[in-house]
Amino acid sequence: DGGITQSPKYLFRKEGQNVTLSCEQNLNHDAMYWYRQDPGQGLRLIYYSQIVNDFQKGDIAEGYSVSREKKESFPLTVTSAQKNPTAFYLCASTPSSYNEQFFGPGTRLTVL
Amino acid sequence: GDSVTQMEGPVTLSEEAFLTINCTYTATGYPSLFWYVQYPGEGLQLLLKATKADDKGSNKGFEATYRKETTSFHLEKGSVQVSDSAVYFCALRGGTNAGKSTFGDGTTLTVKP
Repeated sequence: DGGITQSPKYLFRKEGQNVTLSCEQNLNHDAMYWYRQDPGQGLRLIYYSQIVNDFQKGDIAEGYSVSREKKESFPLTVTSAQKNPTAFYLCASTPSSYNEQFFGPGTRLTVL
Repeated sequence: GDSVTQMEGPVTLSEEAFLTINCTYTATGYPSLFWYVQYPGEGLQLLLKATKADDKGSNKGFEATYRKETTSFHLEKGSVQVSDSAVYFCALRGGTNAGKSTFGDGTTLTVKP
């Protein structure tokens, strides 16, 4: 079945540690996105990539980094510079500018 | 830039009641419009979409019509069920920045038996 997978579903990290969230898609979509969602809040765009080896900052990129070495994969690293990283992280992909986005199941990150 | 304004929640309805969640947008060009639904602890799922003016999107009893003259895309359902309890997001793509989506803040719907 085609879709987007995110792993792990739950992630715990100690303060000061970097952590990488995985996002893989087998939909052959060109564009991929990372969003952050806080309790009771909407989605905020962290980074997005429209083609391999290229990505752009979203609205809240500080403290995060990404790479896009393969079309299928768009990992997000939450660095120690991110002041309040506890949140629900969603990855999405889309085939074009006018199509809907397909979302993964999300990763809930908790900083202890 | 583009923006989407949704009706503030939360919304609480009794089963079989009529649902309307208002959504208005600001965008240049001819964006596509979407409604997504999010159940607790899950990612967003596409509920319905419309790609041009006067198109009606529909799915699972939900409907929304792309009204360019009023820049609106209101979500409606004639008879809600307890299983419709979720957060609903209105969104657009293909506006000022074609590579990004613009989302509303989401509206939480609770349906009571």
